[in-house]
Amino acid sequence: AQTVTQSQPEMSVQEAETVTLSCTYDTSESDYYLFWYKQPPSRQMILVIRQEAYKQQNATENRFSVNFQKAAKSFSLKISDSQLGDAAMYFCACPIQGAQKLVFGQGTRLTINP
Amino acid sequence: NAGVTQTPKFQVLKTGQSMTLQCAQDMNHNSMYWYRQDPGMGLRLIYYSASEGTTDKGEVPNGYNVSRLNKREFSLRLESAAPSQTSVYFCASSPKLGAFGYTFGSGTRLTVV
Repeated sequence: AQTVTQSQPEMSVQEAETVTLSCTYDTSESDYYLFWYKQPPSRQMILVIRQEAYKQQNATENRFSVNFQKAAKSFSLKISDSQLGDAAMYFCACPIQGAQKLVFGQGTRLTINP
Repeated sequence: NAGVTQTPKFQVLKTGQSMTLQCAQDMNHNSMYWYRQDPGMGLRLIYYSASEGTTDKGEVPNGYNVSRLNKREFSLRLESAAPSQTSVYFCASSPKLGAFGYTFGSGTRLTVV
């Protein structure tokens, strides 16, 4: 079965500290992108970062970076210098079925403590 | 602003009532999707349309129907609402999934009483 697992339902971190959110996935696709989405209290789903599976280099977007381990099918999100505005639900997602659609993990609720 | 527009944003239905959730995108995307979000279960795919004129079932299609009216619009219909369909519904679109991922609408919170 093609699945995405986020094993941490909730995480908390002190403002300005670093936090890592875990995600493991299983896909039969040969060439694919992986995604992290953020959902703040406004409910809007926002793309945070994406990683091409064929690239060795981990993707980085400002304070957000990934630790991608293809063999282990692991795709964690690291947030550096956490800010209050980072408080949200975070979902990882991977493509299935000929990369026509995404399957999402259960989500991790991140709390930032001032 | 370009994007995905969902209506309504909130709705309360009585069991057995019907309704249609509307979704429109103005980005000329080929693919459109309907997901539902429930606590602890992430987003689950209800139906999708890979291109205009085609629709396919996702993970949880029972109790729903869809129509890809044209390239811009993709509606979701609940024929006879049930309390189990209480959820937040998201419409999304993509030019071609690949590197682009999805652009999401702002969601519809539906309560069935």
